[in-house]
Amino acid sequence: GAGVSQSPRYKVAKRGQDVALRCDPISGHVSLFWYQQALGQGPEFLTYFQNEAQLDKSGLPSDRFFAERPEGSVSTLKIQRTQQEDSAVYLCASSGGGQGEDEQYFGPGTRLTVT
Amino acid sequence: RKEVEQDPGPFNVPEGATVAFNCTYSNSASQSFFWYRQDCRKEPKLLMSVYSSGNEDGRFTAQLNRASQYISLLIRDSKLSDSATYLCVVRSTGNQFYFGTGTSLTVIP
Repeated sequence: GAGVSQSPRYKVAKRGQDVALRCDPISGHVSLFWYQQALGQGPEFLTYFQNEAQLDKSGLPSDRFFAERPEGSVSTLKIQRTQQEDSAVYLCASSGGGQGEDEQYFGPGTRLTVT
Repeated sequence: RKEVEQDPGPFNVPEGATVAFNCTYSNSASQSFFWYRQDCRKEPKLLMSVYSSGNEDGRFTAQLNRASQYISLLIRDSKLSDSATYLCVVRSTGNQFYFGTGTSLTVIP
């Protein structure tokens, strides 16, 4: 079956631009997570949804970051007024529809470069 | 202190060798534990969950020691295709998942 998909795969933004990153989770998966991965580091938690409810957004680095999942499936991570330090790979993962509630399945990520 | 700590390596081992990675976690109330594999410029992929009783999947064995708060991964008979970064992952009491920085493994012919 289809895995997690993300778009765009690559995004170059000029400093100060707004960007929107999309995640399509595995069909039927209740939980959706966003992570930020800098070069040479492990993924860092940003936010978590259970269906359409955003239950934890404690990892969002600033109020320029906003995520939504209005119908409990597709999610969008929006970054306003991008800064160079926002350059990273943004990973989306979903869980809750397969072998275990905890096991997360990742999309290929969006590589964001802010110039 | 980081929630999850791993030795970043790199570990360079010959084909056929046995290699072990350890990972420590800081929150004693952590609930779930995993090893993920990440190839260069790819997304992390679940390798195995780690259970209190330990578990084995082919050449891979994972152990959990709750008392000492560490997780281990043993790879036997290393293959060239095992070359990757191995990420230790811990789920805390909520639904936050904490990743280690990863341990880099290169298997040499």
